[in-house]
Amino acid sequence: DIQMTQSPSSLSASVGDRVTLTCRASQSISSYLNWYQQKPGKAPRLLIYAASTLQSGVPSRFSGSESGTEFTLTISSLQPEDFATYYCQQSYITPRTFGQGTKVEIK
Amino acid sequence: QVQLVQSGAEVKKPGASVKVSCKASGYTFSTYAFSWVRQAPGQGLEWMGWIGVYNGITNYAQHLQGRVTMTTDTSTSTAYMELRSLRSNDTAVYYCARDSGKFDYWGQGTLVTVSS
Repeated sequence: DIQMTQSPSSLSASVGDRVTLTCRASQSISSYLNWYQQKPGKAPRLLIYAASTLQSGVPSRFSGSESGTEFTLTISSLQPEDFATYYCQQSYITPRTFGQGTKVEIK
Repeated sequence: QVQLVQSGAEVKKPGASVKVSCKASGYTFSTYAFSWVRQAPGQGLEWMGWIGVYNGITNYAQHLQGRVTMTTDTSTSTAYMELRSLRSNDTAVYYCARDSGKFDYWGQGTLVTVSS
């Protein structure tokens, strides 16, 4: 199985901060990488697919990039509604593994 | 608009089975697959498996093979996930998600509690 490793596991940030989350795949997954946001008690929400394509309706402050097997999700200016847990997921091969998540908390 | 509406919460005893439904609307049901994902309390997301609606092909997570069955009913645009021989560590919120390589729509989740 492909292992997805996210870092950090949690971070504290302030409104307006630029935040970068990282996800590393244990082997090549091309650009088959998705990012989801989950708030407590809610279903996950798709933010980014194919490593860097913004899902319809997602604010442009979210962006994704890749370099080899390392992927990043950047929030350019953190907003109050962005405090949540973020998961990466590879869709290159089954099982479609998720990272363990990064919790973004208010500083 | 696309909606996935799941069945309600369940409480089961160890060894029992549970069947969760996911009714889709707002798009052509047969043109997308479904994945099922679960989340144990306070834990991350775990992919359980996938079913292609058009051809009924399934692909299950290896550790669930033999205990899980995913099906669809095109007449009612509903996907189902049945998990058998339930254990306490199957306690989780179970989600269905429309799968086109990305999970762009999700059900609201179904809490399954396994307790004696």
